[in-house]
Amino acid sequence: TQLLEQSPQFLSIQEGENLTVYCNSSSVFSSLQWYRQEPGEGPVLLVTVVTGGEVKKLKRLTFQFGDARKDSSLHITAAQPGDTGLYLCAGGRDDRGSTLGRLYFGRGTQLTVWP
Amino acid sequence: GAGVSQSPSNKVTEKGKDVELRCDPISGHTALYWYRQSLGQGLEFLIYFQGNSAPDKSGLPSDRFSAERTGGSVSTLTIQRTQQEDSAVYLCASSLVYEQFFGPGTRLTVL
Repeated sequence: TQLLEQSPQFLSIQEGENLTVYCNSSSVFSSLQWYRQEPGEGPVLLVTVVTGGEVKKLKRLTFQFGDARKDSSLHITAAQPGDTGLYLCAGGRDDRGSTLGRLYFGRGTQLTVWP
Repeated sequence: GAGVSQSPSNKVTEKGKDVELRCDPISGHTALYWYRQSLGQGLEFLIYFQGNSAPDKSGLPSDRFSAERTGGSVSTLTIQRTQQEDSAVYLCASSLVYEQFFGPGTRLTVL
């Protein structure tokens, strides 16, 4: 059973276009993380959001955590070929405030940006 | 380096054989996780170690899978009597607070 559903599964766009990736669940999470993974490597953390309604911006990337803490989105403005990779959302359900504990991962969105 | 390391990077084995996968976490990280990633799938949680607490084994798919963490550092994931469906990339991660730092993974192929 997949707790987090990501969409779309694949996304192929031209350089300069904007895109949004969605991560949805019927469950509430204490935090939501987005990772990016390149072939042959482990995922690398992009951002952690912990408050419902929270919006974080990292250069051209904007992350949002839903008010009910059940969903999140990643928006990329003016995509570049270097943005190509597998984007994974992951939810944590540990409310103890210390180590996050296990993460529930979505299946990922494979993004390809063509020059 | 200072990152999470895993060995071997690739492992090809025959069905029915046992395999051991190793993870060296970042020094000082109290939490260690094992995940596996199959083609087209996200990361599937296997097991989680936190300090001296009993590990969370809730993700292990069968009793053929086991893991230990010695001295709060290095961890070994053992798969006994491997099956073809065990073929996947096995990822290890360690953390201190929120962020999980992943190793490059071990690609296991069971023939």
